[in-house]
Amino acid sequence: EIVLTQSPGTLSLSPGERATLSCRASQTISSSYLAWYQQKPGQAPRLLIYGESSRATGIPDRFSGSGSETDFTLTISRLEPEDFAVYYCQQYGRSPLTFGGGTKVEFK
Amino acid sequence: EVQLVESGGVVVQPGGSLRLSCAASGFTFEDFAFHWVRQAPGKGLEWVSLISWDGGSTYYADSVKGRFTISRDNTKNSLYLEMNSLRPEDTAFYYCAKDSPLTHWGLGTLVTVSS
Repeated sequence: EIVLTQSPGTLSLSPGERATLSCRASQTISSSYLAWYQQKPGQAPRLLIYGESSRATGIPDRFSGSGSETDFTLTISRLEPEDFAVYYCQQYGRSPLTFGGGTKVEFK
Repeated sequence: EVQLVESGGVVVQPGGSLRLSCAASGFTFEDFAFHWVRQAPGKGLEWVSLISWDGGSTYYADSVKGRFTISRDNTKNSLYLEMNSLRPEDTAFYYCAKDSPLTHWGLGTLVTVSS
């Protein structure tokens, strides 16, 4: 099983700041099968980024993904108020599919 | 518009059984694989199971293997999760989700396993 470790657990930032979220895999995964999801309280997760760096439909360009092999990053260039949420990475190339533990982006 | 609507979540005793359903609309159901993902209250996401477009291939998390069965009916645009030998640690919101990556999610249905 591929274990995904996200850091930090919580990121305290202000609107307008840059957010950098990390996802580290226990073994090499193809960047084609790495995705990021956003979840707000009381809502289902929403796909943000897939194939490492492709934005899902309707996702603004302040969200970007990068990385390879075992180290991946989600960057939010300038935080908007609606971006404060929990973010999960996921590998979907090998069964069992796995999610990281999540990073909460909270208001500072 | 893609819509996924889960149903079937209830309170069930440990050792009991339950069948969840997911009704899909707004797209060609038989063209896509589907997943079940769960989330215990206040916790992170846990992938549960995957079924291929034709139902010919299924995959499970170790935590549910042998107890849960995923299936689909392409004539009814519906996805199912048969859950047996339920344990308290199976308590969670259960989401169905379309395709890989998981492009669309339902709102979830809550399963509570408690005596």
